[in-house]
Amino acid sequence: AQSVTQLDSQVPVFEEAPVELRCNYSSSVSVYLFWYVQYPNQGLQLLLKYLSGSTLVKGINGFEAEFNKSQTSFHLRKPSVHISDTAEYFCASPHNNDMRFGAGTRLTVKP
Amino acid sequence: NAGVTQTPKFRILKIGQSMTLQCTQDMNHNYMYWYRQDPGMGLKLIYYSVGAGITDKGEVPNGYNVSRSTTEDFPLRLELAAPSQTSVYFCASSPTGVNQPQHFGDGTRLSIL
Repeated sequence: AQSVTQLDSQVPVFEEAPVELRCNYSSSVSVYLFWYVQYPNQGLQLLLKYLSGSTLVKGINGFEAEFNKSQTSFHLRKPSVHISDTAEYFCASPHNNDMRFGAGTRLTVKP
Repeated sequence: NAGVTQTPKFRILKIGQSMTLQCTQDMNHNYMYWYRQDPGMGLKLIYYSVGAGITDKGEVPNGYNVSRSTTEDFPLRLELAAPSQTSVYFCASSPTGVNQPQHFGDGTRLSIL
């Protein structure tokens, strides 16, 4: 069955430092992968998506992710984070008519 | 530019009471979804709908019911509320299937006491 695993529940970083949020997926078929961001007291917003094509996907707010089939990973990266990036981030992938979400990674950016 | 609208934003229920969480979208999306979010658990699908008149169970449907009489509305009903249903509920929609990005409402925070 398709599933996603986020390897870090919390990631604290200092402002302007780079960050990587890790996501592994399991599937024996072609995959669709998403990263969503959730700010406090809000719903989820799409950051970026991988449907096919180039393995490096660029999203909003300077985030990007790389689809790595050999490592079954879809890690999210940003070269320099801002205080405003403090939020919870979810990796997700469809399974039949269900979108399966990881448990989430709380990114905290410190001044 | 409303997108997906959920009401109410907050609610406290007593055990055994019932209520309906409202969800409406103005994007003419065929697919709609209800999720619950619990701390450290991500989101779990409760029910989904692929169009008016068509609904199906997700991963955690027990204790809930849905209906889809129009393209715009997808209410979620809780019958006989239980403490285990304390959660944050999100409604989402997408134009076609689950392979496309979903648009989320801001959620309903529900406490059962």
